[in-house]
Amino acid sequence: KAGVTQTPRYLIKTRGQQVTLSCSPISGHRSVSWYQQTPGQGLQFLFEYFSETQRNKGNFPGRFSGRQFSNSRSEMNVSTLELGDSALYLCASSFENTEAFFGQGTRLTVV
Amino acid sequence: GQNIDQPTEMTATEGAIVQINCTYQTSGFNGLFWYQQHAGEAPTFLSYNVLDGLEEKGRFSSFLSRSKGYSYLLLKELQMKDSASYLCAVSSSGAGSYQLTFGKGTKLSVIP
Repeated sequence: KAGVTQTPRYLIKTRGQQVTLSCSPISGHRSVSWYQQTPGQGLQFLFEYFSETQRNKGNFPGRFSGRQFSNSRSEMNVSTLELGDSALYLCASSFENTEAFFGQGTRLTVV
Repeated sequence: GQNIDQPTEMTATEGAIVQINCTYQTSGFNGLFWYQQHAGEAPTFLSYNVLDGLEEKGRFSSFLSRSKGYSYLLLKELQMKDSASYLCAVSSSGAGSYQLTFGKGTKLSVIP
């Protein structure tokens, strides 16, 4: 079956702009989590959604937000982009809190 | 708070055995995962431990001691393709949520 799909793969934005990233989980997976990966900090948890509800949120500013749709697809939004937001954004889906399956990620560059 | 420590880098020889250690201090524990991540690619699942002891899966084994907050990943018969980052992650699923807290990863270089 198809894996986790993230779009777009690469994105270049200017400081102050906003961006929306998309994630389609594996069919049947209702939990979708988002992570930010940078060379200095590694993988950091952003938030987790389950059945359209945010169940958990990491320690990121309110500029980072997300949502999940009834088909379990999820989006995350970052407003008022800063240079430090440049990172690889990874989405992961899981079934009943088992192992997480990751998408290929969206590489965001803020200039 | 959550704290997961693992060595930053390791080097090992092709055909050898390498052990990557991970120590953790977390609030809430529902299991420990190991992931492999090649440069520029997504992390891929390697192993999961929820009870103390050793889990073996082919050339890869993972060990957990919950009382010591300690785990290791053992890679046998190393191959060049095993050069990658290895991520230790703890699952905390309190209050009906699901969250993985990752260590910063161990970059393993396999040399001929």
